[in-house]
Amino acid sequence: QITLKESGPTLVEPTQTLTLTCTFSGFTLTTTGVGVGWFRQPPGKALEWVALILWNDDKHYRPSLKSRLTITKDTSKNHVVLIMTNVAPADTATYFCAQNPGPYWFDPWGQGIVVTVSS
Amino acid sequence: SYDLTQPPSVSVSPGQTASISCSEDKLGDKFVSWYQQKPGQSPILVIYQDSKRPSGIPERFSGSNSGNTAILTISGTQDMDEADYYCQAWDSGTVELGGGTKLTVL
Repeated sequence: QITLKESGPTLVEPTQTLTLTCTFSGFTLTTTGVGVGWFRQPPGKALEWVALILWNDDKHYRPSLKSRLTITKDTSKNHVVLIMTNVAPADTATYFCAQNPGPYWFDPWGQGIVVTVSS
Repeated sequence: SYDLTQPPSVSVSPGQTASISCSEDKLGDKFVSWYQQKPGQSPILVIYQDSKRPSGIPERFSGSNSGNTAILTISGTQDMDEADYYCQAWDSGTVELGGGTKLTVL
């Protein structure tokens, strides 16, 4: 059974750095073709893709956020870390991580973590 | 704005067929996935690679993709299918998402 779970702070002050961890089980990020993606959903709004890291350490970022994002993986700990710098209230959202088992889709998804950016 | 265009809402009567569209220039050249999201829950994959159903997804869910439009079809719609639906594609390492369609069963 594949599971993913997001963890990190639920409240971050503006201009600070947000660090989120996706801890997964049931698969490994050393398997060819596999990746982990991050998505977010502002309150009452649609899903947005944020970042993706693949088994071969290729990294992809949402263009509008690229300058503020870093995604890394630790295959020994089975987790993926997303770092977002200089956060603003507009970054308030539920953040989800999801497995990318094939080249084009995401399944399953974690339960999500609600992050609020406020002073 | 969103990369893929979806209607904001679709309504359907129970037992009828619901169709949700997703459009982009030459979308038929890409693989499209569809996700169902109910309030307060995480998205669930219901269709991948245009028309494949993951294990556990009912047969009433089907998909197609040709030209500029992908379509998610729900046959014999049930009350439990009321949810937001998102289409997703992949373009040169960038994940594209639609703005979501709220399906109302009434």
